[in-house]
Amino acid sequence: QVQLVESGGGVVQPGRSLRLSCAASGFTFSSYSMHWVRRAPGKGLEWVALISYDGINKDYADSVKGRFTLSRDNSKNTLLLQMNSLRADDTAVYYCARGENADFFAYWGQGTLVTVSS
Amino acid sequence: DIVMTQSPDSLAVSLGERATINCKSSQNLLYSSNNKNYLAWYQQKPGQPPRLLIYWASTRESGVPDRFSGSGSGTDFTLTISSLQAEDVALYYCQQYYNTPFTFGQGTKLEIK
Repeated sequence: QVQLVESGGGVVQPGRSLRLSCAASGFTFSSYSMHWVRRAPGKGLEWVALISYDGINKDYADSVKGRFTLSRDNSKNTLLLQMNSLRADDTAVYYCARGENADFFAYWGQGTLVTVSS
Repeated sequence: DIVMTQSPDSLAVSLGERATINCKSSQNLLYSSNNKNYLAWYQQKPGQPPRLLIYWASTRESGVPDRFSGSGSGTDFTLTISSLQAEDVALYYCQQYYNTPFTFGQGTKLEIK
């Protein structure tokens, strides 16, 4: 069955960096676009970034553009989100999600909590 | 960016009664080349990831009970739960995937009256 498992969350000071990983299994990872979606405490869902199946095309929310970088290793079925210059408003549970044929999200990981605090 | 606005923000419905959540898009989500509306609905319970309920505005995801239905086209959409069950208490979100940045509604909290 499809499984997405995030890791790498934790507590980090403002301005520092963190790298999130998402390990995929149960499907042909290299055939799907992948996304990160976050939910800040007390807030709604916010789409963060996408990467195409082949890693060539990427897109980011304005709130993270220039600070976050998304990559993938199709040989290892792994998605990576490098988060630099973290701010307090980046505090959220981060979910990786598989993009279906038109980028709705049928499969989600359980999420990993990122807390940006001094 | 496409702005998604849900109404109401919260809703209390008696068990067995109908619950209706609305979602309005600031732009048309109907793609003329394939006549599909790029609109999805999700359910999220505390401590869990979102669950896809509906895509293409009205197609029910596999395994979703048939009391959940989606309707609408263009800029106005509705999620209907025909007979509310206790396990339906959750937050509900609409999402447009017409173009990036993909955007969600602010969420509707559904409770039992």
